[in-house]
Amino acid sequence: EVQLVESGGGLIQPGGPLRLSCAASGFTFSSYAMNWVRQAPGKGLEWVSGIDSSGGDTYYTDSVKGRFTISRDNSKNTVYLQMDSLRADDTAVYYCASAPRARADPPFDYWGQGTLVTVSS
Amino acid sequence: EIVMTQSPATLSVSSGERATLSCRASQSVSDSLAWYQQKPGQAPRLLIYGASARVTGIPARFSGSGSGTEFTLTISSLQSEDFAVYYCQHYYNWPPWTFGQGTKVEVK
Repeated sequence: EVQLVESGGGLIQPGGPLRLSCAASGFTFSSYAMNWVRQAPGKGLEWVSGIDSSGGDTYYTDSVKGRFTISRDNSKNTVYLQMDSLRADDTAVYYCASAPRARADPPFDYWGQGTLVTVSS
Repeated sequence: EIVMTQSPATLSVSSGERATLSCRASQSVSDSLAWYQQKPGQAPRLLIYGASARVTGIPARFSGSGSGTEFTLTISSLQSEDFAVYYCQHYYNWPPWTFGQGTKVEVK
């Protein structure tokens, strides 16, 4: 059974850092690209970042470029999202999502249950 | 950035009726279009990819159509479990792979 389990969310002050993790199981992680998608409270979905299966190519939406870094450790079946210089508008549930191909392109076939990040003083 | 616009924002439908959801792209995305379903408190679930290909296990009452800039998700006969929010997402060319703002299908 495919499982994606996010962790690392919580309450963080503006300007602070936070690292999210997503542990994968039930599929050949090193063959799948991975992405992060977020959802602000009561709002729609926003694609945030993607990484190809090898970790060689990474992609970001403009609003997080220079502040967020996506990475992966295929030996640990885990993808990370390092978030720096957090702002109030980064408050959201962050989902990790898998893409069954080397490239990070959608569609995203499996999703985790999400981890809530709240940026507030 | 390609902007995806969904309509209507809310669709009120009775069980057993047909629901038609629209998604428009600000420029052609060919058939690089996916549909997701999200229920309250749950993660999104992939329904349709390639504009019209149904994911294994998704009931046949869900169908997708369209290409270029105009797309439609049709639910032929709404069941109670289909009341949810539906999102379209393009994956044409380079990111950002934007989502529409969603259509909420609610009980009439």
